[in-house]
Amino acid sequence: SQELEQSPQSLIVQEGKNLTINCTSSKTLYGLYWYKQKYGEGLIFLMMLQKGGEEKSHEKITAKLDEKKQQSSLHITASQPSHAGIYLCGADLQGAQKLVFGQGTRLTINP
Amino acid sequence: DGGITQSPKYLFRKEGQNVTLSCEQNLNHDAMYWYRQDPGQGLRLIYYSQIVNDFQKGDIAEGYSVSREKKESFPLTVTSAQKNPTAFYLCASSILGGRSQAPNEQYFGPGTRLTVT
Repeated sequence: SQELEQSPQSLIVQEGKNLTINCTSSKTLYGLYWYKQKYGEGLIFLMMLQKGGEEKSHEKITAKLDEKKQQSSLHITASQPSHAGIYLCGADLQGAQKLVFGQGTRLTINP
Repeated sequence: DGGITQSPKYLFRKEGQNVTLSCEQNLNHDAMYWYRQDPGQGLRLIYYSQIVNDFQKGDIAEGYSVSREKKESFPLTVTSAQKNPTAFYLCASSILGGRSQAPNEQYFGPGTRLTVT
């Protein structure tokens, strides 16, 4: 089983709608990282969360880390075609300075 | 321009042949990583290196080998012992964080898609 579970695995939304992607672990997250990937390309860093209860925003994307540091959510407001892609969460689960990744969420935006 | 380069973007090999994937960074990062990505799956760590001439196995190191002779370069060799080598390979680098801190974000290259037939 995955150490980091992402849900949903795929998501299709109408342009302009809001959406949320979740990333959950049974272990404490020493650092939680959100990345975006276009098919067949490398990962683009979006945001990093470290402290329980932390929330960060960039343009229309907001990421939160819960107080227990075991779950994170990525929320996109008023989605646009440019938001389409694969979103991956990564985390340091053991304080070992290396990351494990969730299986990714494929986001499609319909016009 | 600073960044990570991987070459080639597409690579085709016959079964039984070793193949080496290139990864170069000019970000002056100490740490470098190799991941494998399969369809519908996240990234799985193959090898990582935090300092020149030293590297550690990740979660799926069997059938792979690496070297770190220079800070800027971290080539990955996919050997004939790797049973399912066809995959998308991603290289990343980062500033090494302190022991009590969360790791710094990793910067990724564009990837190499390896097909073995």
